[in-house]
Amino acid sequence: GAVVSQHPSWVICKSGTSVKIECRSLDFQATTMFWYRQFPKQSLMLMATSNEGSKATYEQGVEKDKFLINHASLTLSTLTVTSAHPEDSSFYICSAPKEGLTSPLHFGNGTRLTVT
Amino acid sequence: GQQVMQIPQYQHVQEGEDFTTYCNSSTTLSNIQWYKQRPGGHPVFLIQLVKSGEVKKQKRLTFQFGEAKKNSSLHITATQTTDVGTYFCAGDNQNFQGAQKLVFGQGTRLTINP
Repeated sequence: GAVVSQHPSWVICKSGTSVKIECRSLDFQATTMFWYRQFPKQSLMLMATSNEGSKATYEQGVEKDKFLINHASLTLSTLTVTSAHPEDSSFYICSAPKEGLTSPLHFGNGTRLTVT
Repeated sequence: GQQVMQIPQYQHVQEGEDFTTYCNSSTTLSNIQWYKQRPGGHPVFLIQLVKSGEVKKQKRLTFQFGEAKKNSSLHITATQTTDVGTYFCAGDNQNFQGAQKLVFGQGTRLTINP
């Protein structure tokens, strides 16, 4: 069964509003989680690394004030897209390594965000 | 920064034909991972290769890691309709803290004519 749960699966919001996406590790503790963005038929682009109890590490070109990441517990990381615009419409996927920091990733089901 | 190139971008085959996707990194990797993403789904881990020249098999799938640890390939023998999806390689160039940082290739989208 799934080891990483992501919610919601899809969301439609109006331009200017904020959207929060949750990512939970179900049967393990995740000190690190990764947030990816995927455009249709394209690859996964790492947005940021979420670290439990400390600030997230953002990739170059990703606005930290626009994509707020909070990793308040060992099983939950959230990504908030603030003041969303249509160009933020995308597929957002979280992932976490289950057997340690260097182990393969388990992905959530992803969240399809549409901003109108 | 590190780049991972994957070819081809698309591959359409007849069911029963073989399929291969190739991955090249601009830097030496600590390991490489392969994932499969079905249409509308999320990536699912297939395998991890760590050693130089390593070859691993999973039923009809054969994974190779180059001697220089900069390239890799995935070969599927006698494709079946269940093989449809996008195959991604992901190179790990661990940072100084030891935590992985995967860089994904562009993916190869496999479609199959039954």
